[in-house]
Amino acid sequence: SQTIHQWPATLVQPVGSPLSLECTVEGTSNPNLYWYRQAAGRGLQLLFYSVGIGQISSEVPQNLSASRPQDRQFILSSKKLLLSDSGFYLCAWDRTGHGYTFGSGTRLTVV
Amino acid sequence: AQSVTQPDIHITVSEGASLELRCNYSYGATPYLFWYVQSPGQGLQLLLKYFSGDTLVQGIKGFEAEFKRSQSSFNLRKPSVHWSDAAEYFCAVGVEVSFGNEKLTFGTGTRLTIIP
Repeated sequence: SQTIHQWPATLVQPVGSPLSLECTVEGTSNPNLYWYRQAAGRGLQLLFYSVGIGQISSEVPQNLSASRPQDRQFILSSKKLLLSDSGFYLCAWDRTGHGYTFGSGTRLTVV
Repeated sequence: AQSVTQPDIHITVSEGASLELRCNYSYGATPYLFWYVQSPGQGLQLLLKYFSGDTLVQGIKGFEAEFKRSQSSFNLRKPSVHWSDAAEYFCAVGVEVSFGNEKLTFGTGTRLTIIP
């Protein structure tokens, strides 16, 4: 069966520090991968999606970037965090028509 | 562009009572429609989905939803709620942006509180 892993679960980082969140999928090949952010009391905002290795589409201009160095690995990064980057970050994968399967999320607090 | 509206930010129901969560979407064609549930601090779990065919779809945990094209709605229902149903519920519309790639747009969610 397919599983998706996200880590770390919780992260507290100072303003201006770098960020790296990792997401991996097991049990499938060539998945579509997604990064969403959920701000407190708000819905989910799509940040990036990827349909293959090295293929990244950005949905909104921001302080973050994404990379897909391997087929089942999706990384969310920042060189210098801002206070506004705080939120709950969710990775997801999908097969068309089946909906997304989400990871358990990373709670990022920038202080 | 597609959009999803969940008009109810917070709903409180008594345990054992029936539930209906509203969802309206905006999209030019027939979309894929989904309902997800999120417990505090957790990821999202798929409750049910609609692609085509029967407009009444059954999901996990006793939930069902009905697609009404004339009203652009996809409301979620449960005949009798349990205390464990307390969570945040998200409606989403899926659009295929290229072959094999589908993007979901989510509503802002409805928080469900269950009282004894």
